[in-house]
Amino acid sequence: GAVVSQHPSWVICKSGTSVKIECRSLDFQATTMFWYRQFPKQSLMLMATSNEGSKATYEQGVEKDKFLINHASLTLSTLTVTSAHPEDSSFYICSAGPLYSGASYEQYFGPGTRLTVT
Amino acid sequence: AQKITQTQPGMFVQEKEAVTLDCTYDTSDQSYGLFWYKQPSSGEMIFLIYQGSYDEQNATEGRYSLNFQKARKSANLVISASQLGDSAMYFCAMRGGLARGGYNKLIFGAGTRLAVHP
Repeated sequence: GAVVSQHPSWVICKSGTSVKIECRSLDFQATTMFWYRQFPKQSLMLMATSNEGSKATYEQGVEKDKFLINHASLTLSTLTVTSAHPEDSSFYICSAGPLYSGASYEQYFGPGTRLTVT
Repeated sequence: AQKITQTQPGMFVQEKEAVTLDCTYDTSDQSYGLFWYKQPSSGEMIFLIYQGSYDEQNATEGRYSLNFQKARKSANLVISASQLGDSAMYFCAMRGGLARGGYNKLIFGAGTRLAVHP
């Protein structure tokens, strides 16, 4: 159990276009979903926290108008990169939770989406 | 502010030997959780082990154990009997005290790249 999917797994788009990435919890309901960005050989940086039915909370330095997050249901959150530029090329990972695993409330990660903007 | 420090950018170990990956943390919270994740080249984040701040015993999960020294604020990961498949990036992460809704975000360290040699 506790499977999180992301779609697409990779995407190439042209500069100036918008790209939508989906994050789904397949076998549990996720009241909270997190979006991370990871540049090559770097750590995961939290971009925003989204709670179902409410506005996302963005981390300092993340442009909310550029990275639109929607968490319309307990199993789906979307991240839209608007007017993408080459510097937005990165690995985007979502996680969903909470789910009590027996030791703590866990969040489960999706497989990630690799975005390349040309 | 919470902070996770991993001072080893890369580590090498011979197959079947044990290896320790260092992690120190800083927090003013009394209640917190510490996690280790493995990230292979595919990019997925694989949960390895969890240690709660009030847990008196060190956490163990198969070949993984967490050497938790609360006074020193360290949470080192020990991998016993290393296998070739253990070659990956390893991230230490911390979650702060329970926020409204019983959940909080993860802060990640910079990561350690482990290479297991035959």
